[in-house]
Amino acid sequence: NAGVMQNPRHLVRRRGQEARLRCSPMKGHSHVYWYRQLPEEGLKFMVYLQKENIIDESGMPKERFSAEFPKEGPSILRIQQVVRGDSAAYFCASSPTVPGLYSPQETQYFGPGTRLLVL
Amino acid sequence: SQQGEEDPQALSIQEGENATMNCSYKTSINNLQWYRQNSGRGLVHLILIRSNEREKHSGRLRVTLDTSKKSSSLLITASRAADTASYFCATDHSGAGSYQLTFGKGTKLSVIP
Repeated sequence: NAGVMQNPRHLVRRRGQEARLRCSPMKGHSHVYWYRQLPEEGLKFMVYLQKENIIDESGMPKERFSAEFPKEGPSILRIQQVVRGDSAAYFCASSPTVPGLYSPQETQYFGPGTRLLVL
Repeated sequence: SQQGEEDPQALSIQEGENATMNCSYKTSINNLQWYRQNSGRGLVHLILIRSNEREKHSGRLRVTLDTSKKSSSLLITASRAADTASYFCATDHSGAGSYQLTFGKGTKLSVIP
């Protein structure tokens, strides 16, 4: 049973380019969360998605950042026109579906992260 | 300051000793979780304790929760060199059905062989 997969593991971009980060949740999980971790800091929540829906994007910067979780395929976190301050580790987590209930189970399982470096 | 603040920021102990890390938070929670992160790696879930629980054990881990003091502690007994990592507490406030976790900055644990 594969865990949460993220790719690429490392991504280097020049200022102004676009960064696309992918996340495949664990099998059977339909809730995905994205977090950002700056050096020597804890993780900061960015966005929570279910299939084809953004549930909570309160932690996402208003500009340049977007996220999606299509019916088929991985969740994508997209950063347009990257700046040096976007350099960080971006982690995806997933949690299981609870049939018949709106709320997901509490435990979130994290992927290995994508380390983005903006030159 | 933010929710889920760990203390101490760094801890260095000898192999075989016990390690205790603390976490404080500000607003009411549904549950509190502890995660481990090895350098440059992802997070590994260790243990979850719900707001109506006071203590929980898992192997060499013991977690306590005091909701009146808004604090939790993680005890690792008989530490091993492989326990060297950063440890984060994460609180779940579940506002608006979101289940977003709020992390502290972590405690860096070094276990010296």
